[in-house]
Amino acid sequence: KAGVTQTPRYLIKTRGQQVTLSCSPISGHRSVSWYQQTPGQGLQFLFEYFSETQRNKGNFPGRFSGRQFSNSRSEMNVSTLELGDSALYLCASSLDWLAGGYEQYFGPGTRLTVT
Amino acid sequence: SQQGEEDPQALSIQEGENATMNCSYKTSINNLQWYRQNSGRGLVHLILIRSNEREKHSGRLRVTLDTSKKSSSLLITASRAADTASYFCATEGLNTDKLIFGTGTRLQVFP
Repeated sequence: KAGVTQTPRYLIKTRGQQVTLSCSPISGHRSVSWYQQTPGQGLQFLFEYFSETQRNKGNFPGRFSGRQFSNSRSEMNVSTLELGDSALYLCASSLDWLAGGYEQYFGPGTRLTVT
Repeated sequence: SQQGEEDPQALSIQEGENATMNCSYKTSINNLQWYRQNSGRGLVHLILIRSNEREKHSGRLRVTLDTSKKSSSLLITASRAADTASYFCATEGLNTDKLIFGTGTRLQVFP
């Protein structure tokens, strides 16, 4: 079974621009979560999607948004990029948690650098 | 903000020795998970322990959970150089897939 894939793997953008990152979950996984990892703040939860609905959201400004499609693929968008948005963005998928807690499977991440 | 604190922040040991990492968290959980990350790459799931479990084993890994103290420990026995990585605990709250990560422990295993 193919793992979680994220595209692109590396991205360099300029302040003020916007960016869209993509995540394809493991086949059969319906829950997709996004995390931001920085040296200063560590791993922080951005949002979680299940069946095209945002189920949870972390403490990030409205510039960070996401969506999930009917095939469970997910995208996250960051508008008006700031230098502090430079980070590794990780996507994770898991089975439906309603049936119990399941481990999350992480993709390799997208390394975003804002200059 | 992060849920958990991990201790120690960094650990250096020789191959063959055991490595123990501790994690403390703040709120009620559904389960606690441990992940490994190699040098800025994606996280690899190691083990999940549910709130009604006290101990779990997987290969060279042993995890304990004490919900009364809101703490967990990860023991890696007979460590290898390939175990060099950062290790994170993550708690999953009730009725959510949201994971709250700890600060991580950087483990270095010298051959």
